[in-house]
Amino acid sequence: NAGVTQTPKFQVLKTGQSMTLQCAQDMNHNSMYWYRQDPGMGLRLIYYSASEGTTDKGEVPNGYNVSRLNKREFSLRLESAAPSQTSVYFCASSEGVGRGRTEAFFGQGTRLTVV
Amino acid sequence: QKEVEQDPGPLSVPEGAIVSLNCTYSNSAFQYFMWYRQYSRKGPELLMYTYSSGNKEDGRFTAQVDKSSKYISLFIRDSQPSDSATYLCAMSRGSNDYKLSFGAGTTVTVRA
Repeated sequence: NAGVTQTPKFQVLKTGQSMTLQCAQDMNHNSMYWYRQDPGMGLRLIYYSASEGTTDKGEVPNGYNVSRLNKREFSLRLESAAPSQTSVYFCASSEGVGRGRTEAFFGQGTRLTVV
Repeated sequence: QKEVEQDPGPLSVPEGAIVSLNCTYSNSAFQYFMWYRQYSRKGPELLMYTYSSGNKEDGRFTAQVDKSSKYISLFIRDSQPSDSATYLCAMSRGSNDYKLSFGAGTTVTVRA
């Protein structure tokens, strides 16, 4: 049981390049999330998907797009990377609306550096 | 002002000491409260999950929630070097609004 799997684990991009971060969960969770973590800022929500077929903006969505490919997979795309997007990105999942539990389970993170 | 405030520390204690961590929050709609532990270069892992006010104990860990003061705490008894990590508090409004709001995290070092 792998839980939440993110790829890649590390990435260096040049300013203006694009890339997609992949995330998959095997817990049959309805909801999935993308967070970024920066020193002193905690975890900030970029985008989330309440259920398959829906996506919504979080606290810091500018410069990102997402796709909920199916129930298992939720990808995050940087169309034109900027140095301000240097961060550690975490994907997470939870049971979702109406299930009575709201805790999220996290992947191991992607360390992204934009130069 | 952030929705969830957490002192970033760092906090350094000797092995065997009690570690006390806390968070304050501004939104009275929060009902579910969590503590996550994050080791260096790893993802956060769920440590404690509580609903509304009260105490919950799990082994050496005790979580307390005081909704009237908008204050939550985590206590670690008989701390071990393996408890050295960053501890993040998180909270959500309820089962129909499941998004988590996080504190900035407190870095704890337990000295052998």
